[in-house]
Amino acid sequence: DTGVSQNPRHKITKRGQNVTFRCDPISEHNRLYWYRQTLGQGPEFLTYFQNEAQLEKSRLLSDRFSAERPKGSFSTLEIQRTEQGDSAMYLCASSRQGGLDTEAFFGQGTRLTVV
Amino acid sequence: GDSVTQMEGPVTLSEEAFLTINCTYTATGYPSLFWYVQYPGEGLQLLLKATKADDKGSNKGFEATYRKETTSFHLEKGSVQVSDSAVYFCAPRLQTGGSYIPTFGRGTSLIVHP
Repeated sequence: DTGVSQNPRHKITKRGQNVTFRCDPISEHNRLYWYRQTLGQGPEFLTYFQNEAQLEKSRLLSDRFSAERPKGSFSTLEIQRTEQGDSAMYLCASSRQGGLDTEAFFGQGTRLTVV
Repeated sequence: GDSVTQMEGPVTLSEEAFLTINCTYTATGYPSLFWYVQYPGEGLQLLLKATKADDKGSNKGFEATYRKETTSFHLEKGSVQVSDSAVYFCAPRLQTGGSYIPTFGRGTSLIVHP
């Protein structure tokens, strides 16, 4: 068990460019979550997958944000036409199938800086 | 809608002092409740949890009790150490659309001085 892995750890991009982040969950976990965290705030929920199905995406911040989990394993989060306000830490978490008491395990995050 | 409110920080204490960090929530039903901790330079990790009324979660000397009547899950520790300095997040699983999602408070920074 190597934990939740996120790549890259850091990304600097120019405003208007597209960026894509990858998350590899713990291997037996079928639930996957994306969050955004800005300085001094708690993680803000963005979207949720159960296996390959995206069950909740109403909290994606705009139509510039999209996420996929094509085979129910790794996931990608894409931000199109980045803006300076998108600068934040993007966190991925996974949890196993089970009841609502199951713990979510977090990756180290991808820090995005838009210049 | 469902939400979580956590006391603002920073909380600054001397070593061996008593700690309380307040957390309340509004929810449909009775969600599972979690506290996560983020040590400097590290990722979020689970500290403790409770899944039903009157349950007490505990770990590393920290405790929190599921209070259904007051919809609260306050974090306590009787004697803090310098190594407890971190940011603490209350995170109930709240209903979002048709799913139950770990929903985080804003975090409370704890600074413990020797």
